[in-house]
Amino acid sequence: SYELTQPPSVSVSPGQTASITCSGDKLGDKYACWYQQKSGQSPVLVIYQDTRRPSGIPERFSGSNSGNTATLTISGTQAMDEADYYCQAWDSSFAAFGGGTKLTVL
Amino acid sequence: QVQLQESGPGLVKPSQTLSLTCTVSGDSINSGSHYWSWIRQPAGRGLEWIGRVYVSGAINYNPSLRSRVTLSLDTSKKQFSLKLSSVTAADTAMYYCARGQTTVSFDSWGHGTKVTVSS
Repeated sequence: SYELTQPPSVSVSPGQTASITCSGDKLGDKYACWYQQKSGQSPVLVIYQDTRRPSGIPERFSGSNSGNTATLTISGTQAMDEADYYCQAWDSSFAAFGGGTKLTVL
Repeated sequence: QVQLQESGPGLVKPSQTLSLTCTVSGDSINSGSHYWSWIRQPAGRGLEWIGRVYVSGAINYNPSLRSRVTLSLDTSKKQFSLKLSSVTAADTAMYYCARGQTTVSFDSWGHGTKVTVSS
């Protein structure tokens, strides 16, 4: 089955830019999306189709996808952005999730 | 605004079958542009996709669980269901139901239901 790899953790200072990567074979040929999961809550879609934001998601969240790597970028990171982030892509009819990245805002 | 609500036993004995139901409100489960999925998450760990079902009857399963999983959809009740057979402690997890859309993926999730496999 298709595998996606994320760094276990990323740290960022408030107001700075956080980047979380997701690697997979020819991931750029697929659509990548990203989910935010705060402690004790269900995941929330923050990026779909590589770069698009669902209604209600702040503009500071952006995404890119090329080659073997998709990237979630959070500009002007706020304390409320501290959460686990998961990338996800479809390989044929299989939904692959990355292992998740814990974003710490300190 | 679609809402999804999982329901089912919170405790299942080893070797038995785990059965969960997801009730959909605020959206038509008959929509051909949506699919309905189950995703699970062991405590402190990542997300694992279990499978998805379309109103057309098409179903896709995670190959690692395929032999033990059955998904179904009941449009009259606005529900879709998961059955996982021969459970072990490794199946202990939070189970989420979610709605998906082609190229958008999982845009709405239930709150999740915790299932523990223990005798």
